[in-house]
Amino acid sequence: EAGVVQSPRYKIIEKKQPVAFWCNPISGHNTLYWYRQNLGQGPELLIRYENEEAVDDSQLPKDRFSAERLKGVDSTLKIQPAELGDSAVYLCASSYARQETQYFGPGTRLLVL
Amino acid sequence: KQEVTQIPAALSVPEGENLVLNCSFTDSAIYNLQWFRQDPGKGLTSLLLIQSSQREQTSGRLNASLDKSSGRSTLYIAASQPGDSATYLCATGGAQKLVFGQGTRLTINP
Repeated sequence: EAGVVQSPRYKIIEKKQPVAFWCNPISGHNTLYWYRQNLGQGPELLIRYENEEAVDDSQLPKDRFSAERLKGVDSTLKIQPAELGDSAVYLCASSYARQETQYFGPGTRLLVL
Repeated sequence: KQEVTQIPAALSVPEGENLVLNCSFTDSAIYNLQWFRQDPGKGLTSLLLIQSSQREQTSGRLNASLDKSSGRSTLYIAASQPGDSATYLCATGGAQKLVFGQGTRLTINP
């Protein structure tokens, strides 16, 4: 079984530039999560999808961050414009609906200069 | 608001030792508690999940306990090996909304 796929693995951009991250969850997983992990910290949830619906986006900085999961499968997280403080690892995870175990992708490491 | 704390932040022990990692949380109204492992540059791998009604879970050399009343969980690793070197994170909260601790970076020295 293929795991959660994320791309790119690394991204370096200058501040004020846009950036997008892509995630393909495990086949059949209805629930998809985006987390941000700062250096030396645990992941923090940004947004959770149930199929196409964003059911928890309370932690998503909506002034610059957006996300979509149009067909209920893969998802894109976008930052526009990026700020220095956005440098972090962005993790995607997926799970079956109403199941507790989440499966994480390898993450995208973003560096904003 | 749930807060999860892990102590120590880093731990280094010789191979073969048994060790305990600690996790504490402020709100005892939890759905479950999970332990994850994270290798450098990698995502998280789920190790153990303890439901709120359970006291412990075991998988191989790993044993996790849960004491909701005191807001504590421990992860016990028996007969540690160099391959156990990683960051271990605990997380708890609602059914699908996890709050993570900052992790304990574990190094097993051959």
